[in-house]
Amino acid sequence: LAKTTQPISMDSYEGQEVNITCSHNNIATNDYITWYQQFPSQGPRFIIQGYKTKVTNEVASLFIPADRKSSTLSLPRVSLSDTAVYYCLRTGSARQLTFGSGTQLTVLP
Amino acid sequence: NAGVTQTPKFQVLKTGQSMTLQCAQDMNHEYMSWYRQDPGMGLRLIHYSVGAGITDQGEVPNGYNVSRSTTEDFPLRLLSAAPSQTSVYFCASRDSGQGVETQYFGPGTRLLVL
Repeated sequence: LAKTTQPISMDSYEGQEVNITCSHNNIATNDYITWYQQFPSQGPRFIIQGYKTKVTNEVASLFIPADRKSSTLSLPRVSLSDTAVYYCLRTGSARQLTFGSGTQLTVLP
Repeated sequence: NAGVTQTPKFQVLKTGQSMTLQCAQDMNHEYMSWYRQDPGMGLRLIHYSVGAGITDQGEVPNGYNVSRSTTEDFPLRLLSAAPSQTSVYFCASRDSGQGVETQYFGPGTRLLVL
């Protein structure tokens, strides 16, 4: 199964930029990196996806270096409502999509 | 579009009972999957389907059956419920158009097995 590694938890304060890293050393050539967000009692929600370099949308930015062995999700100026679990997935080559334990982000006032 | 719908939202079963969790999507997605999520844990894949008539096992398939007779529906059957199957169950369907693969999740079914 396509595994990724990310920190178990992170704390931040409102208004700060948060960067969550994900390691995927054995990424396949046709894999994308996809991030999901999950609030309590809800299903995960797609945030952003990229292959390499930088992708930005209205919610976040995703940085993937040339070797593609890691990626960084960047959330600008977080608010309390960004408190959630964030999952990093490899998508594309595998028929099975594997969610790890994710990163619990807690935004403090 | 209703997206991905799941029924029921809550269910209490006794050990040994069977039941079917319903999942439907109206986005014409070929790929559908079932996950379970235990408290404080990530999602674990139970079964998935890449199209009508095709199903396959995920990480934790034991005790569950699936079928995919139509593109829209992907029910999950618990054959003989056990307390270890107490969990939140999420159904998802996947869009893989334009090089972006996005999974859409249903609201979940909370199952308690006594």
